Amino acid sequence: QLQLQESGPGLVKPSETLSLTCTVSGGSISSSSYYWGWIRQPPGKGLEWIGSIYYSGSTYYNPSLKSRVTISVDTSKNQFSLKLSSVTAADTAVYYCARHQASTVNDAFDIWGQGTMVTVSS
Amino acid sequence: QSVLTQPPSVSEAPRQRVTISCSGSSSNIGNNAVNWYQQLPGKAPKLLIYYDDLLPSGVSDRFSGSKSGTSASLAISGLQSEDEADYYCAAWDDSLNGKVFGGGTKLTVL
Repeated sequence: QLQLQESGPGLVKPSETLSLTCTVSGGSISSSSYYWGWIRQPPGKGLEWIGSIYYSGSTYYNPSLKSRVTISVDTSKNQFSLKLSSVTAADTAVYYCARHQASTVNDAFDIWGQGTMVTVSS
Repeated sequence: QSVLTQPPSVSEAPRQRVTISCSGSSSNIGNNAVNWYQQLPGKAPKLLIYYDDLLPSGVSDRFSGSKSGTSASLAISGLQSEDEADYYCAAWDDSLNGKVFGGGTKLTVL
């Protein structure tokens, strides 16, 4: 069955770029039926959608983060990645990758990774 | 402040029924589908309800969703201790042009 696994540094310095990768196993990231997204959750707080990408490279981002976010896909490795620039302590969070269908903007995240904690601190 | 408004917490006794509300506006709930997620302590969220009232395969039929106007609700019947979790509503927002989540509701089974 399809599984997603986040990986990347757990500690990032302020003003630097946070980089995470999500590896998809048990299925192909190149399926025409799905988008692949990133969601984060600050400690003790709620969920925030960061952005999503299609296997073709088409992306859409949370407008509040758009100026700092880049999501890319590597179909040869069955992975997609997140880069968040100029981070501050407010970017400290558990970062999840997840899948949602590509039918409409209403589609839900039906499969999630386990999440990875990223702390922004010097 | 979240675009979608949920009560911070609800509580009810075992075997009873509880509802969790999610209030929005015409740019989100009023014009788009609502999805619900359950997040058990220390775990990743899990899809519970999609397209307002549909259950994914494997989700107990004790869970149900509904929507009216710019508000949606999640109902859980026959409460069990394992239902203690945080619950989040989510929808697309046409004005913000993005996916938005509610602030989450912590369910305590007394």
